[in-house]
Amino acid sequence: GAGVSQTPSNKVTEKGKYVELRCDPISGHTALYWYRQSLGQGPEFLIYFQGTGAADDSGLPNDRFFAVRPEGSVSTLKIQRTERGDSAVYLCASSLQGELFFGEGSRLTVL
Amino acid sequence: GEDVEQSLFLSVREGDSSVINCTYTDSSSTYLYWYKQEPGAGLQLLTYIFSNMDMKQDQRLTVLLNKKDKHLSLRIADTQTGDSAIYFCAESPNTGNQFYFGTGTSLTVIP
Repeated sequence: GAGVSQTPSNKVTEKGKYVELRCDPISGHTALYWYRQSLGQGPEFLIYFQGTGAADDSGLPNDRFFAVRPEGSVSTLKIQRTERGDSAVYLCASSLQGELFFGEGSRLTVL
Repeated sequence: GEDVEQSLFLSVREGDSSVINCTYTDSSSTYLYWYKQEPGAGLQLLTYIFSNMDMKQDQRLTVLLNKKDKHLSLRIADTQTGDSAIYFCAESPNTGNQFYFGTGTSLTVIP
């Protein structure tokens, strides 16, 4: 597609459940980023991929969060044993040469 | 992460100029960016400035960079109601491909 695509756009789940969020970057973009945005806050860095490998995962808050990008294109952010504090908009961005192109985000609500 | 600070709210009348300010901490930042986020949408890059510049103009947008004071500003001339949005500044330090975002300034344009 022309832009970064994220699915689902909205996800409501119960505390303790497992969630997967998908990001389809712009074709040819080698870098892919996951950010989390809580209400009234700026995007908070989670993880950055260059190709298939996680070049920097220092922003992942704990070991319940994991992300993969097995073929260097689509990425999946996985959250285990969700907690109410995980509720946020999860933003994906891709980049070729510095400029970040963002998707519209996946809004996660943990009840 | 790095500390990027912005004032939370700004209100201006249609046709006036808006000035949104940002301070950052990492003196090694290579690029500084301004992103716009409309309700329910992803972040959209407005403009950026390289750290060896002190001003950049792009149509109604003027970016000023004071590297000594680590201060960045975005001026929007002839502000329109369609400019109402949240504006984020972001820095990209020279140490890698990280991007650190401010908390965002919510601009309201009064008709």
